[in-house]
Amino acid sequence: GAVVSQHPSWVICKSGTSVKIECRSLDFQATTMFWYRQFPKQSLMLMATSNEGSKATYEQGVEKDKFLINHASLTLSTLTVTSAHPEDSSFYICSAREHGPSQPQHFGDGTRLSIL
Amino acid sequence: DAKTTQPPSMDCAEGRAANLPCNHSTISGNEYVYWYRQIHSQGPQYIIHGLKNNETNEMASLIITEDRKSSTLILPHATLRDTAVYYCIVRVLGNTDKLIFGTGTRLQVFP
Repeated sequence: GAVVSQHPSWVICKSGTSVKIECRSLDFQATTMFWYRQFPKQSLMLMATSNEGSKATYEQGVEKDKFLINHASLTLSTLTVTSAHPEDSSFYICSAREHGPSQPQHFGDGTRLSIL
Repeated sequence: DAKTTQPPSMDCAEGRAANLPCNHSTISGNEYVYWYRQIHSQGPQYIIHGLKNNETNEMASLIITEDRKSSTLILPHATLRDTAVYYCIVRVLGNTDKLIFGTGTRLQVFP
């Protein structure tokens, strides 16, 4: 089945640093990938839609300059949390959709980000 | 966007069938119903999806009512590893094909 790999799975860093998270579709090409964040005991919240070769589309309330998304190839999208602060600590999850109008999205295992 | 309503929690005995309901009364004719589950601290796992007809795969069965206003996910023989939060999602069709997650149903399978 379709596999989405996310790296790193866990990162701890100091306040003010930038953190890059990678999302790869391992056995299929994905023109569109999605980034979510999830706080404890809450549901997933869509942050942005990442489109290969073009700018990402951000959901309302998500800061574009804070969460930089790059989708440079059909198998890789990256999310960079810039100048991270403790309130950015969360579980970040990506997904990618197989080609076809009704094909499901497949999710990575998530990245747990802790900002000290 | 079509919204879904699910019970917040359910219990099921191991080995029994788990029937998880979902209400999506405002669903459009060309919107699919998707089911995912999330085991603690992992990414969501795709289970099954359907449009009108009932669907079955190696994981579960999906029963969609004739008017499409509700559906039921059936895990035929629940195991302890099926304990998770189950999300019923109506796919927003369009350029982005976003999935909007609700609060889901927390299924607890007990021995």
